[in-house]
Amino acid sequence: EPEVTQTPSHQVTQMGQEVILRCVPISNHLYFYWYRQILGQKVEFLVSFYNNEISEKSEIFDDQFSVERPDGSNFTLKIRSTKLEDSAMYFCASGDDRVGTGELFFGEGSRLTVL
Amino acid sequence: DAKTTQPNSMESNEEEPVHLPCNHSTISGTDYIHWYRQLPSQGPEYVIHGLTSNVNNRMASLAIAEDRKSSTLILHRATLRDAAVYYCILRDMDSNYQLIWGAGTKLIIKP
Repeated sequence: EPEVTQTPSHQVTQMGQEVILRCVPISNHLYFYWYRQILGQKVEFLVSFYNNEISEKSEIFDDQFSVERPDGSNFTLKIRSTKLEDSAMYFCASGDDRVGTGELFFGEGSRLTVL
Repeated sequence: DAKTTQPNSMESNEEEPVHLPCNHSTISGTDYIHWYRQLPSQGPEYVIHGLTSNVNNRMASLAIAEDRKSSTLILHRATLRDAAVYYCILRDMDSNYQLIWGAGTKLIIKP
């Protein structure tokens, strides 16, 4: 069964450093998403991406965040200058429709720890 | 904010059916009802979704009330591996069809 893969599974970084989280979505999907989950809290939407551009972003997704699909297969989330409060699980997801008729497939997540 | 209301937690015995309720009283005609679950230390996993009619798949059944203001996820024979947090989510035009997550229902399966 096709799956979404994420790397790294866990990254520890110092505050102020840049971090790139990588995702390989399911190959024929067109819609890509990043979510995050702070330990013990709800899953939060960060950004959606379609046709090589951001289609929607939440208030959390400020100027320190960026997404890119550099080579047609990978989908990356960059955090430019990490803060302590960026520590969370980051989940990538992909789907083949936008309006709710289909499912999203999630990766296992990348745990980011900012010290 | 999430537009659904679910109990914080439920307990069930292994190998018995489980009925997980969800209220969505503000649902509109084009809103899809989605269920996802999150096993401990894993990413969310799709379970089932529906619009108006009841739905069945290999994982579960979804029973949707006639007025669509509530739904019930049915696990026909729960196993220990079904212990997870179950999220009922409306994908609607107001939220641009994004998944807006609530706190979900933590399902505890007793052996």
